Amino acid sequence: NAGVTQTPKFQVLKTGQSMTLQCAQDMNHEYMSWYRQDPGMGLRLIHYSVGAGITDQGEVPNGYNVSRSTTEDFPLRLLSAAPSQTSVYFCASSYQGEDTEAFFGQGTRLTVV
Amino acid sequence: SQQGEEDPQALSIQEGENATMNCSYKTSINNLQWYRQNSGRGLVHLILIRSNEREKHSGRLRVTLDTSKKSSSLLITASRAADTASYFCATRAYSNYQLIWGAGTKLIIKP
Repeated sequence: NAGVTQTPKFQVLKTGQSMTLQCAQDMNHEYMSWYRQDPGMGLRLIHYSVGAGITDQGEVPNGYNVSRSTTEDFPLRLLSAAPSQTSVYFCASSYQGEDTEAFFGQGTRLTVV
Repeated sequence: SQQGEEDPQALSIQEGENATMNCSYKTSINNLQWYRQNSGRGLVHLILIRSNEREKHSGRLRVTLDTSKKSSSLLITASRAADTASYFCATRAYSNYQLIWGAGTKLIIKP
């Protein structure tokens, strides 16, 4: 069971560079989301999707783009990396519905220098 | 914006003791969930309690919910070294599928 797979696990970027964090799930979940986790803080929602072709902004969307062309994949693009985007990024997926649990990837630790 | 606030921020106990951590939230919820995060790993779902439930058990875990006080507690009984992790509460509102997270409690179990 692969579950939610994130790549890469670690990445160092220079300020101004762009990159895409990959997320794939094999559970046929409709709902997918991206979070960032910073020290001493809970997870903050960046973007989410309720199905292929549908995305929406979360709490901290600035500087990030997403698309959802398939049910399985939900990539997160950093348009022009800034040191403030240094963080650990998590992708999560779940079925739609109220009483559903979220399944998380292992995270991507991103450092912007 | 953070919905949940965990208390304490950090907790260190001896193996075999019980560990209790608390979560407070601000708005009406549909359910409240607890997750565990081992160092450097993703979060893993532990237990979900609905707004119309007051207590729920799963193995060594006991969760309570007091909607009048907007608070929940997670009790881990007979703690083990493997319970060392950070624990997060997350709330789900009625209006959408988003989970709102607290900052977590870091639990250390000393052998």
